[in-house]
Amino acid sequence: GENVEQHPSTLSVQEGDSAVIKCTYSDSASNYFPWYKQELGKGPQLIIDIRSNVGEKKDQRIAVTLNKTAKHFSLHITETQPEDSAVYFCAAKEAGGTSYGKLTFGQGTILTVHP
Amino acid sequence: NAGVTQTPKFQVLKTGQSMTLQCAQDMNHEYMSWYRQDPGMGLRLIHYSVGAGITDQGEVPNGYNVSRSTTEDFPLRLLSAAPSQTSVYFCASLLRAGLRSAGANVLTFGAGSRLTVL
Repeated sequence: GENVEQHPSTLSVQEGDSAVIKCTYSDSASNYFPWYKQELGKGPQLIIDIRSNVGEKKDQRIAVTLNKTAKHFSLHITETQPEDSAVYFCAAKEAGGTSYGKLTFGQGTILTVHP
Repeated sequence: NAGVTQTPKFQVLKTGQSMTLQCAQDMNHEYMSWYRQDPGMGLRLIHYSVGAGITDQGEVPNGYNVSRSTTEDFPLRLLSAAPSQTSVYFCASLLRAGLRSAGANVLTFGAGSRLTVL
């Protein structure tokens, strides 16, 4: 099955700096890579996703890049703000009709943005 | 439209007790699933369902049972709780499995249920 490794486990930045979280996956058949943000006491919420036929995707201050050859993808947050402080999870989904919504998640990154 | 609703939010059990975590969604989602979240281990899939009457095991199914009698509800049962089942449990759903359209793979999560087994 798929295995997703996420680094770093904790990340501390100053407001306005950039933050980068990296993930690697093991199954070359995976074709969908979402990122979820979990605020304290809440469930994870999708912030951005990318499919394997795209190398980069941006949405305002967040972007995701994908390197299929190296089997890794990254989340980039620019101009960080205190409200970006949360736990971030990467995930990968295997291709194929039987995989449905089965995502394999990384271990999570606790991002703290200091004012 | 309440989304995904989980109850209870907090529960303390003694070893060997049984209980059911409830999950309901009002979005007419076909796919529903249960994850557990443990420190340093991310979210791990316990069981999932692609429609009423259909369930299957995920990555960590041992000690848990599920059923899907209606589209809206997907309860998770612990028949004999163990301390290793202390965790935060999340129910998540998506519209329709296997679609390739935008948003088809977006899981909507509930707020979570924190379970402590003593």
